[in-house]
Amino acid sequence: GDSVTQMEGPVTLSEEAFLTINCTYTATGYPSLFWYVQYPGEGLQLLLKATKADDKGSNKGFEATYRKETTSFHLEKGSVQVSDSAVYFCALSDQAGTALIFGKGTTLSVSS
Amino acid sequence: DTEVTQTPKHLVMGMTNKKSLKCEQHMGHRAMYWYKQKAKKPPELMFVYSYEKLSINESVPSRFSPECPNSSLLNLHLHALQPEDSALYLCASKPAGRETQYFGPGTRLLVL
Repeated sequence: GDSVTQMEGPVTLSEEAFLTINCTYTATGYPSLFWYVQYPGEGLQLLLKATKADDKGSNKGFEATYRKETTSFHLEKGSVQVSDSAVYFCALSDQAGTALIFGKGTTLSVSS
Repeated sequence: DTEVTQTPKHLVMGMTNKKSLKCEQHMGHRAMYWYKQKAKKPPELMFVYSYEKLSINESVPSRFSPECPNSSLLNLHLHALQPEDSALYLCASKPAGRETQYFGPGTRLLVL
């Protein structure tokens, strides 16, 4: 079945460092891909998405490109801030477009 | 109105209690979801309602009973829960024909 694999971390960075969180997927067809972020004590917020190959999603300085050839959707940010400390979930939509399949989540901790 | 709201924010209940969680959205979304999330884990899908009809039940124990009284409201009735049911319960909604889900802030449930 469809699945998402992401690096579990924790990832610990200093402020202004470059961030990459790897995400790869297995799916039949061409699912939409998402990154959600969960700040401490909160629900999930959509960070960015891409719906087809070579699409780049971007938001708040974060970017991810839908790479069909490597089945990847890695999350990047050029300069992280302490406020970016959170758990990041990579997800894909199932074939019916009804449900989301999540990776296990990556905890990011940024220190000043 | 572009958000999903959930009440209460926190709930403590005994194993013999009956309580309900409430979720509301006024974005005209026709699919609504309940998820359970344990600490440091991704959300686990429990139920999906599509056009106010239950379309997916992920083999959830009968002590959890969902209800969708109208297109804006989703309830989760709880009865005779176990301590292992303690978790963050997230509601989400999705527009028809689209794949992006929008999450509420969650209800943090503690079963004693």
